[in-house]
Amino acid sequence: DGGITQSPKYLFRKEGQNVTLSCEQNLNHDAMYWYRQDPGQGLRLIYYSQIVNDFQKGDIAEGYSVSREKKESFPLTVTSAQKNPTAFYLCASSIRDRVNDEQFFGPGTRLTVL
Amino acid sequence: GEDVEQSLFLSVREGDSSVINCTYTDSSSTYLYWYKQEPGAGLQLLTYIFSNMDMKQDQRLTVLLNKKDKHLSLRIADTQTGDSAIYFCAESKTSGTYKYIFGTGTRLKVLA
Repeated sequence: DGGITQSPKYLFRKEGQNVTLSCEQNLNHDAMYWYRQDPGQGLRLIYYSQIVNDFQKGDIAEGYSVSREKKESFPLTVTSAQKNPTAFYLCASSIRDRVNDEQFFGPGTRLTVL
Repeated sequence: GEDVEQSLFLSVREGDSSVINCTYTDSSSTYLYWYKQEPGAGLQLLTYIFSNMDMKQDQRLTVLLNKKDKHLSLRIADTQTGDSAIYFCAESKTSGTYKYIFGTGTRLKVLA
């Protein structure tokens, strides 16, 4: 079955540590996205990639980094520079990055900083 | 501005209709979406409406768009306990850089 997967489902991190969240899709989609979800704030765009080897900052990119070396994979690294990283992280993909392309979401990763 | 606003909570009785409201500020939006998020899960697209439409119906779901007031609503007929979730509206546009903007989400609780 085609879909988008994220791992792990739950992640705990000590302050000062970098951590990488995985996102994989087998939908043959060109575009991929990372969002952060906080209670009462909706989804905010961290980074997005329209094509392999290219990515753009979203609205809240500070303290995060990404790579897009393969079409199927768009990992997100939460660095120690991110001051408030505890949140629910959602990855999404779409066929292209056109305005009418539906975004398909993964199940999310809940990151907690101890 | 680029705010998309929703009320945070809505509670209805099973079998009643639910109406979830959303207001947006950018008149250049081309598509408006409704997504559903069940607890601890990702978002699932429910329906969408193109900005030149006023209404769209899909089984128990009815979307109404008032472009003059920049108001979008989602009506769920015969609401069931399985409809309990967070509902997000979102707008997409191509002003410069294409992007989606999500609302804050409305948590719908259906009482048996």
